[in-house]
Amino acid sequence: EVQLVESGGGLVQPGRSLRLSCTASGFTFGDYAMSWVRQAPGKGLEWVGFIRSKAYGGTTEYAASVKGRFTISRDDSKSIAYLQMNSLKTEDTAVYYCTRDHGEMATILPYWGQGTLVTVSS
Amino acid sequence: DIQMTQSPSSLSASVGDRVTITCQASQDISNYLNWYQQKPGKAPKLLIYDASNLETGVPSRFSGSGSGTDFTFTISSLQPEDIATYYCQQYDNLALTFGGGTKVEIK
Repeated sequence: EVQLVESGGGLVQPGRSLRLSCTASGFTFGDYAMSWVRQAPGKGLEWVGFIRSKAYGGTTEYAASVKGRFTISRDDSKSIAYLQMNSLKTEDTAVYYCTRDHGEMATILPYWGQGTLVTVSS
Repeated sequence: DIQMTQSPSSLSASVGDRVTITCQASQDISNYLNWYQQKPGKAPKLLIYDASNLETGVPSRFSGSGSGTDFTFTISSLQPEDIATYYCQQYDNLALTFGGGTKVEIK
C-alpha cells in the first residue's frame, strides 16, 4: 500500500525557513516523480513544484509564487522527498501535501499524503 | 503558464440530478486533464485522468470528456456522498495547474 507521510510543519515567523519531509513507503520511491501541492485556509489547491525521477534527471520545476525561495529535493535511498522553504511570507500559510505521481514525470496525482500545516505569522 | 478556468464555482443540486462542471484551458492541452474530489479536512482524491479515464475503484457515475481547451466533468446521478469540492488539473512538461474548484452541495 502506498503511503506518504508529511512532517515538519508548524508555526514560523515571516522571513524564516522551514523544511518539510515526505516519507514514502509501499513502492519503489526512485521510480516516481514527487510533487508538493498546498492549500491556503479556505482556498483552492495550488501546485508548488515537483521533482522528476532520477531517470529524468531528478530535475525540478516550481510555481512562480515560490520560485527562488523553495527547493525540492529527494533522497531515494531513504524514500524521502523534501521541501525547503526559505524567506517565508504570510501568504505561504497553508496545508502542504506531498503527492506521488502516476509515473516518472509529473502528470497525474493518484496518491496524496494527509498534509502538514505551515503557519507563517509573527 | 497555462491557466485553468473552472465553472461554476459552486452549485446546488438534488439527489439523483445530473451535475456538470466545465474547465477551460488557456491553450491547447490535448487530453492532459485530470479531475479530483476533495471532501472537507481530507486530501484530494483522483477521479478521472487524461480527460476521460476513470481511476480504479471510482464509481461509474463519474465521467469526463473533452480535449484541446474545453473539458467537462459529469456526475450522472448525484449521491449524498458526492458532496465535495471538485478540481480540474492540467499538466505540461513544466508545470501543473489547478482550476479554482467547484463546491457541490445538496439542494
